[in-house]
Amino acid sequence: NFMLTQPHSVSESPGKTVTISCTRSSGSIASNYVHWYQQRPGSSPTTVIYEDNQRPSGVPDRFSGSIDSSSNSASLTISGLKTEDEADYYCQSFDSNNVVVFGGGTKLSVL
Amino acid sequence: EVQLVQSGAEVKKPGESLKISCKGSGYSFSNSWIGWVRQMPGKGLEWMGIVYPGDSDTRYSPSFQGQVTISADKSISTAYLQWSSLKASDTAMYHCARGVYGGNSGKYYYYMDVWGKGTTVTVSS
Repeated sequence: NFMLTQPHSVSESPGKTVTISCTRSSGSIASNYVHWYQQRPGSSPTTVIYEDNQRPSGVPDRFSGSIDSSSNSASLTISGLKTEDEADYYCQSFDSNNVVVFGGGTKLSVL
Repeated sequence: EVQLVQSGAEVKKPGESLKISCKGSGYSFSNSWIGWVRQMPGKGLEWMGIVYPGDSDTRYSPSFQGQVTISADKSISTAYLQWSSLKASDTAMYHCARGVYGGNSGKYYYYMDVWGKGTTVTVSS
């Protein structure tokens, strides 16, 4: 199995753009789709990106996802930051043994 | 509207058994995977396992295999997570989530598109 590593925390000001990385420890990041979840304090997670770069209906286009084979990582980018974006964000993938793998989560502070 | 409604908070003693539930509505329960995710206090998400209610096919995380039992009753659109002997370290929030499984061009995926509100389990003597 592989691991997904995320920065513990990131912070940025309202209106700015922030990128959260998710690095795969072994195997190619491109070999399995990456998905992203937002968890606001006291709430359950919600999906913000699925299949690398697809947005569920209702998720603003300020949220975007991508993968970079050169760094073997996926990224979640949030532009035009709002205070309501302050949350924990988790990346997730699925390995060849049918095991779901989560990243450790990144706490986004908007201040 | 697709919804997952989880059972209420539980307070148990070490060694006791427990079964928590997650009832789906607004979609074909039998034809979608449903799974469980643990979140210990102040910690991240940990995938525990999934079940396909249509045929009860079950997959476990190696970390949770043998520690819990995941099941589903398609007749009442409900999935379950159970323990036979709780430990203090089982204290956590447990989320159920509907899973989307698929693949194209040899690239497979599983992600969770709808989540329940979580069930808090506290195990303390």
